[in-house]
Amino acid sequence: QKEVEQNSGPLSVPEGAIASLNCTYSDRGSQSFFWYRQYSGKSPELIMFIYSNGDKEDGRFTAQLNKASQYVSLLIRDSQPSDSATYLCAVASNDMRFGAGTRLTVKP
Amino acid sequence: DAGVIQSPRHEVTEMGQEVTLRCKPISGHNSLFWYRQTMMRGLELLIYFNNNVPIDDSGMPEDRFSAKMPNASFSTLKIQPSEPRDSAVYFCAGRAGDGELFFGEGSRLTVL
Repeated sequence: QKEVEQNSGPLSVPEGAIASLNCTYSDRGSQSFFWYRQYSGKSPELIMFIYSNGDKEDGRFTAQLNKASQYVSLLIRDSQPSDSATYLCAVASNDMRFGAGTRLTVKP
Repeated sequence: DAGVIQSPRHEVTEMGQEVTLRCKPISGHNSLFWYRQTMMRGLELLIYFNNNVPIDDSGMPEDRFSAKMPNASFSTLKIQPSEPRDSAVYFCAGRAGDGELFFGEGSRLTVL
């Protein structure tokens, strides 16, 4: 059974702080890793993807991947109230499976 | 491109009725996925197709659920008969190669 686990949250951070979201996965054959953001009542939208070990930065977002530890994380720097949403970790081989999500609230 | 199109956006039905959800993926996306999302279970993969062929339907909860993809531009998810526990948001998503998933807006199903 392929499993994707996320820190359950909810996570609350003050505006301007760093939010850290974590994800582990069970399938060692997984090849690509994604972070999606989902606002209430909306469909998931892609924030970042990462395929190789190490860090990948895009603006305020940094994804980190460690395949040996089967671990993926997302850091959000200078968090804004508009970042308040549920963040979904997705792990792909032939299929794509999602974690349960972490609800993030950024307080002004 | 109009994106992934799902219909209906909302459906309210009574237990025992047949429900058909429809999806039109983005042209060129060779993989199509059906997910179900609930508060309790999160986003569950039900079934996915590659080049219109069902590859893995192990996530389909029961024989009451069936999915088809007769061509590259259309897929259906059918529930017959429906039950209250089937109430959820059902998402269709398409993918080109090993890239990201593009989601439709979802079909919110309520079974009374």
